Amino acid sequence: GAVVSQHPSRVICKSGTSVKIECRSLDFQATTMFWYRQFPKQSLMLMATSNEGSKATYEQGVEKDKFLINHASLTLSTLTVTSAHPEDSSFYICSASIPSGGVAFFGQGTRLTVV
Amino acid sequence: GENVEQHPSTLSVQEGDSAVIKCTYSDSASNYFPWYKQELGKGPQLIIDIRSNVGEKKDQRIAVTLNKTAKHFSLHITETQPEDSAVYFCAAINYGQNFVFGPGTRLSVLP
Repeated sequence: GAVVSQHPSRVICKSGTSVKIECRSLDFQATTMFWYRQFPKQSLMLMATSNEGSKATYEQGVEKDKFLINHASLTLSTLTVTSAHPEDSSFYICSASIPSGGVAFFGQGTRLTVV
Repeated sequence: GENVEQHPSTLSVQEGDSAVIKCTYSDSASNYFPWYKQELGKGPQLIIDIRSNVGEKKDQRIAVTLNKTAKHFSLHITETQPEDSAVYFCAAINYGQNFVFGPGTRLSVLP
C-alpha cells in the first residue's frame, strides 16, 4: 500500500513552546490530508482537513489558532501546536487519501508530551 | 451525518480460533468500508476494505462481509495468532466525505 510518513514519532516540549509535526505522502500526491487526535483507549477524533493550497477546514471545537495547519505541497502537510499546554499532550495522527478511490493511509503517529 | 457503531469493544480468543467484529452504519449513502489495525503506539494500518458493490472480500486469513440492506459489515479473522492482538477500527465513508470511525475493538489472542 501507499506510504505516509509522519515525523517526529515522539516529542517532549515545555509548556508555552510550539511543536511542528510533519506528514508526508511518499509515493503519491495527496490533495487532501487529515489530522486526528487520539486519547488513550479511544477512537480517532478528526481535528481538521488539510487541503493543498488553501485553508484547512477545522472540526467544531478545534481551535484553529492553536493548531495551525499548512499544506504547502501535494506531499507535505504540517500541524503546529502553538503555545502548548499539558492538556495538549496526546497522540496525533495524520492520514492522506489517494485521490482516486478514497483509500486512506495513516502515518505512524506522534506522541506529544507537554511538561 | 454518519454514525458507526462497533461491537464488541473487547474480544479475547484462543490462538487458532476465529474472531468476528461487527459494525453498523447509519448513512445509506456510505459506499466504502475499510478496516484498520492499530498496534500500541502506532498509526492505524489498512488491512482490508470493501466497497458497496461487493458483498464479501477475502485476503488470506482476513475477510470482510457487507450487508447493505441491514447496513452492517463484519471483519472475520480465522486461525488467529498472537500477532493479531491489536485494536481494530472500522470506518464508513461516502466518497468525498470524511471518514467516520467506529469506537474500536481490542482483540487479545491468548496463546
